[in-house]
Amino acid sequence: GAGVSQSPSNKVTEKGKDVELRCDPISGHTALYWYRQSLGQGLEFLIYFQGNSAPDKSGLPSDRFSAERTGGSVSTLTIQRTQQEDSAVYLCASSSSGPGSEQYFGPGTRLTVT
Amino acid sequence: AQSVTQLGSHVSVSEGALVLLRCNYSSSVPPYLFWYVQYPNQGLQLLLKYTSAATLVKGINGFEAEFKKSETSFHLTKPSAHMSDAAEYFCAVSTNTGGFKTIFGAGTRLFVKA
Repeated sequence: GAGVSQSPSNKVTEKGKDVELRCDPISGHTALYWYRQSLGQGLEFLIYFQGNSAPDKSGLPSDRFSAERTGGSVSTLTIQRTQQEDSAVYLCASSSSGPGSEQYFGPGTRLTVT
Repeated sequence: AQSVTQLGSHVSVSEGALVLLRCNYSSSVPPYLFWYVQYPNQGLQLLLKYTSAATLVKGINGFEAEFKKSETSFHLTKPSAHMSDAAEYFCAVSTNTGGFKTIFGAGTRLFVKA
């Protein structure tokens, strides 16, 4: 079956512009995670969705970052007024239930802010 | 709050030698522990996970890890390295309480020499 997909695969934007990153999880997966992977670093947790609600958004680095999930499926991560330090690979993962379940990762969106 | 420490950002072994990648965690409640692998130009995939059923966990491609509560460790091993094992390995921890985030270590890049 289809895995987790993310779009776009690459995004180059100018500093100060807004960007939207999309994640399509595996069908039927109730849990969805967003992470950020900077060069040479591990994965930084951003936000966790269970269904359409986000019980843990503690990893969002600033109020410029927001995310939503609709229909228990597609999720969008929005970064407003992008800064150069936002440049990273943004990964989305989904799982069939909560924290003890395997997460299935998408290929990521590479964001470059110039 | 949980945390993960991976000792050694780079590990180099000869083909056929033992692979040992170290992971220590911190958690005030029983944890779920994971090892994920990221092969070059591929997404992350689960290698193995510990969810309290058994302390020695076997994963794909001949890897295994042992949960040692007294040492707060979850080291990854493989008796004989293969060239195809060259990749980046991430240890991760999550719990059912105090938030739903999964915390990843910084990663260990494994090099395998012929």
